[in-house]
Amino acid sequence: EDQVTQSPEALRLQEGESSSLNCSYTVSGLRGLFWYRQDPGKGPEFLFTLYSAGEEKEKERLKATLTKKESFLHITAPKPEDSATYLCASNYGQNFVFGPGTRLSVLP
Amino acid sequence: EPEVTQTPSHQVTQMGQEVILRCVPISNHLYFYWYRQILGQKVEFLVSFYNNEISEKSEIFDDQFSVERPDGSNFTLKIRSTKLEDSAMYFCASSGGQGAYEQYFGPGTRLTVT
Repeated sequence: EDQVTQSPEALRLQEGESSSLNCSYTVSGLRGLFWYRQDPGKGPEFLFTLYSAGEEKEKERLKATLTKKESFLHITAPKPEDSATYLCASNYGQNFVFGPGTRLSVLP
Repeated sequence: EPEVTQTPSHQVTQMGQEVILRCVPISNHLYFYWYRQILGQKVEFLVSFYNNEISEKSEIFDDQFSVERPDGSNFTLKIRSTKLEDSAMYFCASSGGQGAYEQYFGPGTRLTVT
């Protein structure tokens, strides 16, 4: 059974304090690894798709990387507006499995 | 910027009643999805829909649920005989053409079953 796990469950950072979030997946052949941001009471917002080990993508203060077993979301010099829950997901065909998320709080 | 819309934003229903949740996907997208998220829990896949038929469904998506694309713009989720445990946020999402798995989510419908 395909599974996606994330760590840590919650993370508190001071503004400007860089860190990384982890997503581990067990899938029978990687299709895609996706990162989303979710604000309270709202739908997930697409951030990145990674398909191949070694692939990296960047957007503003966020960089996503992928290995054969896990993905990292690196947050450089975060700001309070980066506070949200970050979700990763993987798919097989048109069936998507989401992880439980990492709840990030960035304090001013 | 195109976006996925959902109505209503909040639906309250009594146990045993039927509800229909509505979604308008992004107009040139081909794949449509429904997910649910019980409060404090993870996003769970329900069903994907392509070319006017279900392409995949999860174990959650049993005979109580059905989906329909009644016209060229709407995508609906019907839940029959609702139960207390159906209370959740229901998200619709859409994605583009073949191989484009980037999904764009709507704001959700909060379903409360009393």
